[in-house]
Amino acid sequence: DTGVSQDPRHKITKRGQNVTFRCDPISEHNRLYWYRQTLGQGPEFLTYFQNEAQLEKSRLLSDRFSAERPKGSFSTLEIQRTEQGDSAMYLCASSSYRDRAFEQYFGPGTRLTVT
Amino acid sequence: GDSVTQMEGPVTLSEEAFLTINCTYTATGYPSLFWYVQYPGEGLQLLLKATKADDKGSNKGFEATYRKETTSFHLEKGSVQVSDSAVYFCALRGSQGNLIFGKGTKLSVKP
Repeated sequence: DTGVSQDPRHKITKRGQNVTFRCDPISEHNRLYWYRQTLGQGPEFLTYFQNEAQLEKSRLLSDRFSAERPKGSFSTLEIQRTEQGDSAMYLCASSSYRDRAFEQYFGPGTRLTVT
Repeated sequence: GDSVTQMEGPVTLSEEAFLTINCTYTATGYPSLFWYVQYPGEGLQLLLKATKADDKGSNKGFEATYRKETTSFHLEKGSVQVSDSAVYFCALRGSQGNLIFGKGTKLSVKP
């Protein structure tokens, strides 16, 4: 297994444009999480999926954000009408229900810059 | 709500010095606790974890003990190396399984 992968690694977009990020979790991991990390801060939780069901969304996830995980495999995070405040690193993590501590494995992240 | 507070950096040490990075938490119950590390240009990696009170997590010479009395999970290493230079994050597992992170502590180790 190659771990959690994310695509793209970097994205530069103009304010008002839509962007979509993809996350491929570790195979057989049934839980998938999205976080956002701004400079000098720790990651902040956005949302998570158990299989294909989106079970929790943070208040940070405004109406412009939407996430999907069709068939319980990869996940996408879309941001509509991007704003400069959306500039951040978007991290994806996955975990297995077999792990009692629900240890999460992180991908390398997608760095978004909104100009 | 649940939260994590860790000492602010940056922390600068000489090689072979003793390291302590303080971490305290506020939570309902006794959540699992973690230390993650982010090396320059790399993603977050789990360094160590503890799932219940008095557990000691250890890895790569780093240790942290889950202290419920003081709601703390301080990270220690007896002799740091230049290769330990990174940002260290303390985290707890929230009620929905998500991680709640501290702001991170940047460690620089000089030869």
